[in-house]
Amino acid sequence: AQTVTQSQPEMSVQEAETVTLSCTYDTSESDYYLFWYKQPPSRQMILVIRQEAYKQQNATENRFSVNFQKAAKSFSLKISDSQLGDAAMYFCAYRSARGSNFGNEKLTFGTGTRLTIIP
Amino acid sequence: GAGVSQSPSNKVTEKGKDVELRCDPISGHTALYWYRQSLGQGLEFLIYFQGNSAPDKSGLPSDRFSAERTGGSVSTLTIQRTQQEDSAVYLCASSLRPPSGLAGNTIYFGEGSWLTVV
Repeated sequence: AQTVTQSQPEMSVQEAETVTLSCTYDTSESDYYLFWYKQPPSRQMILVIRQEAYKQQNATENRFSVNFQKAAKSFSLKISDSQLGDAAMYFCAYRSARGSNFGNEKLTFGTGTRLTIIP
Repeated sequence: GAGVSQSPSNKVTEKGKDVELRCDPISGHTALYWYRQSLGQGLEFLIYFQGNSAPDKSGLPSDRFSAERTGGSVSTLTIQRTQQEDSAVYLCASSLRPPSGLAGNTIYFGEGSWLTVV
């Protein structure tokens, strides 16, 4: 079974600075998808960024980028120019790319990192 | 609809009562998931529906929990004889059927139903 580990329960960053959230995972599969979700106090899980394991190029979405190291099974999230609205819980998640016959459809989540932005 | 819709948004119930939580997935999404998030915790998988296939119920914590999906669209999660430890946010999510690339494998969440058992 796959596991996802987020070793930083809490992080804080000064507004306008850069912060990196860590995520490692364990899998025996070679093809999979990785995601970062943001959960503000409103509770809704919002997709921040996603990465396909077979792509070596790191995904970027505006101020958000990832450092995907497949061999190390690491998928960290970098937030540049941090803004007050970035304050939230951030969850790293894994999903197998295998077909539905293998029963690997669900997302496996880490325990989350609470990010605080300091004005 | 445009997004995953869940109801009720908040529910307070007495211990021992049954509750039903509803989820309306994104139109065209064949995969539907239920997750549970206890206060300050991560997301715990409960159940997964994919088209007409038998659901993956491996995450249901006890036989008091059940879910159905009618017509391949709307889903209802039922908790019988609620206990205080059932208090949590219940999140529903949907996606296209894999394998269908990165977009198809992206799971979109509703805003959740916050259940409080008193």
